[in-house]
Amino acid sequence: AQTVTQSQPEMSVQEAETVTLSCTYDTSESDYYLFWYKQPPSRQMILVIRQEAYKQQNATENRFSVNFQKAAKSFSLKISDSQLGDAAMYFCAPFFGNEKLTFGTGTRLTIIP
Amino acid sequence: DTGVSQNPRHKITKRGQNVTFRCDPISEHNRLYWYRQTLGQGPEFLTYFQNEAQLEKSRLLSDRFSAERPKGSFSTLEIQRTEQGDSAMYLCASSLDRNSGANVLTFGAGSRLTVL
Repeated sequence: AQTVTQSQPEMSVQEAETVTLSCTYDTSESDYYLFWYKQPPSRQMILVIRQEAYKQQNATENRFSVNFQKAAKSFSLKISDSQLGDAAMYFCAPFFGNEKLTFGTGTRLTIIP
Repeated sequence: DTGVSQNPRHKITKRGQNVTFRCDPISEHNRLYWYRQTLGQGPEFLTYFQNEAQLEKSRLLSDRFSAERPKGSFSTLEIQRTEQGDSAMYLCASSLDRNSGANVLTFGAGSRLTVL
């Protein structure tokens, strides 16, 4: 079975600081995609960043970057220079060969002004 | 294109009634997904379509649930004889398919169901 684990239900970070959200998953596949989605309170799910499993280089999108460790099946999200607008639920979501996103339980990120 | 549109945004119904949700995907997207999200949890997969074909249904989708995408454009999700356990946010998402080189799902704002 393909599983996704986000071990941090809640995290908080001081504004302008850096925070890392963790995600591990289990799969026997070698070709897949990994996503982080953000869901602000009462708002829709938004894509944050995408990583192809065949790429060794870690993806980066402005203040957001990932640390992808394929052998360890680990896919963490680093948010630099945290801003108040980053407050949200963050979901790790691999896209395996079963052709759908499998979501973790999420991490609620609070930004402290 | 205004993204993925879902209606109604919120539906309150009494137990035993039928409800239907509609999803209008991004026009060039041929895949359409339905997910269910309960409070404080991650979305759970329900079903997905490629064009008008329903390719997979989750075991979560009981016989009371039915989804259609008759012309490969909009989709409906109907829940018959609603139960209190059906209360959740129902999310729709669309994407191009894997062969098109893009599997990024774009989500709608969701339809929140409250069963009294």
